[in-house]
Amino acid sequence: DTGVSQDPRHKITKRGQNVTFRCDPISEHNRLYWYRQTLGQGPEFLTYFQNEAQLEKSRLLSDRFSAERPKGSFSTLEIQRTEQGDSAMYLCASSSTGTSGRSRTGELFFGEGSRLTVL
Amino acid sequence: AQSVSQHNHHVILSEAASLELGCNYSYGGTVNLFWYVQYPGQHLQLLLKYFSGDPLVKGIKGFEAEFIKSKFSFNLRKPSVQWSDTAEYFCAVYDNDMRFGAGTRLTVKP
Repeated sequence: DTGVSQDPRHKITKRGQNVTFRCDPISEHNRLYWYRQTLGQGPEFLTYFQNEAQLEKSRLLSDRFSAERPKGSFSTLEIQRTEQGDSAMYLCASSSTGTSGRSRTGELFFGEGSRLTVL
Repeated sequence: AQSVSQHNHHVILSEAASLELGCNYSYGGTVNLFWYVQYPGQHLQLLLKYFSGDPLVKGIKGFEAEFIKSKFSFNLRKPSVQWSDTAEYFCAVYDNDMRFGAGTRLTVKP
């Protein structure tokens, strides 16, 4: 399968613990996005990378959240000192861009998501 | 930043009924518009997209959407729904990143 893959698919943790999610995008895609989705809501933008550069971060991304994409391929999203309000599905998506830096199509390809449950 | 509004939270239809889901966006510039679908237990998938040209775009599974620039709308339609169309539908607008509406849950009764 050459789609976007995310790991783990489901994580249950106790409040106060740290968790890390990994996303492997489609190999030729240089843009990678993180979204958060809660029940009954649409995906909320968290952050995105173009290659290894983090270009935008949402205000939703508090200091406890950090994302990296060190080599411009896979990305990690870490949540420190988890809170019950962090319980959600964390979605990763990737896309390709043109040479101007703007996406040729804007179409995002999503992974299955990583569901976080904070007890 | 652009935002997206979907008017219907939950729509319930019988099979063969016609469907129209509303979507409005707030952005004055050139945008790319999308509808994504999320079937139960599955990941988000692209249904259709609009970049330019013919404002009436056709997607997979008989869906279509019409871009009306003057109304900032991109409503999704299907003339005759099937039970298998039961899913969550998300409208999205792309400028430099993708922003989604809250979604509309469609339930089709057999």
